[in-house]
Amino acid sequence: QSALTQPASVSGSPGQSITISCTGTSSDVGSYNLVSWYQQYPGKSPKLLIYEISRRPSGVSSRFSGFRSGNTASLTIFGLQDEDEADYYCCSYAGGSTSPFVFGTGTKLTVL
Amino acid sequence: EVQLVESGGGLVKPGGSLRLSCAAPEVTFSGYSMNWVRQAPGKGLEWVSCITSSSSYTYYADSVKGRFTISRDNAQKSLYLQMNSLRLGDTAVYYCARGPAVAAASPAFDIWGQGTMVTVSS
Repeated sequence: QSALTQPASVSGSPGQSITISCTGTSSDVGSYNLVSWYQQYPGKSPKLLIYEISRRPSGVSSRFSGFRSGNTASLTIFGLQDEDEADYYCCSYAGGSTSPFVFGTGTKLTVL
Repeated sequence: EVQLVESGGGLVKPGGSLRLSCAAPEVTFSGYSMNWVRQAPGKGLEWVSCITSSSSYTYYADSVKGRFTISRDNAQKSLYLQMNSLRLGDTAVYYCARGPAVAAASPAFDIWGQGTMVTVSS
């Protein structure tokens, strides 16, 4: 199972909105409403931001929004803040009976 | 902040073995699937293994299949990863992460540990 494809880096200024893409295939992202997004600060554990394409866990800011079109899932961050500077990873269910989950390659978000 | 607590990492030679543990003292454990996710130094996240709530099913990444074994003890609220025939490429921080109670196919890992470092080197 190949890793999902994300841009290596994105950047934006405070207050702006940015979108991070996560491209898979019709066997994973395109087939199931089972894509999650994680935020990870350097040296820290990942934090769940979005699950099942667009659902936010309790306590996660509404500035984070997820959606999917075809084989590509996306994470949009509205009203960028300095604290959003981190690494972001998508993860999808990939079906099958052997290796069900695959992560994206990761995206470094820089707040200018 | 509620967390899982990993232990058992360390330095091991290629071909050696290690057993990782993950304790969930303050986390609801039984009834939830559990996962191991690893991150090589300076690299991205890689899903490693999953076990369902009652241990009925286990799943592995192709890169570790046949070498790693996941298990759990719900009474002890603990998760384990037995790693055999370790390779240089297994060097990483290993995280345990709780999966969902329902929709076990969802990669919604809501609680993570702080990670334990495994270094495979001669």
